Amino acid sequence: GAGVSQSPRYKVAKRGQDVALRCDPISGHVSLFWYQQALGQGPEFLTYFQNEAQLDKSGLPSDRFFAERPEGSVSTLKIQRTQQEDSAVYLCASRQTGEYSNQPQHFGDGTRLSIL
Amino acid sequence: EDKVVQSPLSLVVHEGDTVTLNCSYEVTNFRSLLWYKQEKKAPTFLFMLTSSGIEKKSGRLSSILDKKELFSILNITATQTGDSAVYLCAVEANSGAGSYQLTFGKGTKLSVIP
Repeated sequence: GAGVSQSPRYKVAKRGQDVALRCDPISGHVSLFWYQQALGQGPEFLTYFQNEAQLDKSGLPSDRFFAERPEGSVSTLKIQRTQQEDSAVYLCASRQTGEYSNQPQHFGDGTRLSIL
Repeated sequence: EDKVVQSPLSLVVHEGDTVTLNCSYEVTNFRSLLWYKQEKKAPTFLFMLTSSGIEKKSGRLSSILDKKELFSILNITATQTGDSAVYLCAVEANSGAGSYQLTFGKGTKLSVIP
């Protein structure tokens, strides 16, 4: 597609429910990143995929957070047993290459997650 | 721990004014510094800076990086109401896992009044 596409745009869930957020990166982009953006803050790194391999998950805040990219394109971020502090905008970004090469990350519009 | 600090956090100006947004950083394994504009949706890419002293320019926007003093500035001349947004500064660094993830500042919220 022309840009990074995320769905749903908004998600409301009750505390304790599981949620799944989807990211469809720019076609052919090797690298895929997930970020979490709290209100009034800059995005914070969660995890990174190079093709289907999850090379860095150092930013995932707990073992309730899980991400996958099984075929090296679409990615899903899953949050189990959601808690109120999980409320944030979840941004996905993709980059054309796997290694640093003067290519910027391009972001999707994000999913705004609200936990009641 | 990698750190990016932006100032000011918010700024209100009148149309036609010139503004300068600041970004300082402390990062291990620095690779590049990026500026993004965020309205209500996706951060949109503005500039990527890798070398000191070379100004990048796009219309009324320009940016420069100082790798010795570890800062960057983003200038916007002849501001318009459409420039109202949060401007995010991010530093790209090698995490050691090959991710070259971005570490963001909190952003500068710019409001341009007609």
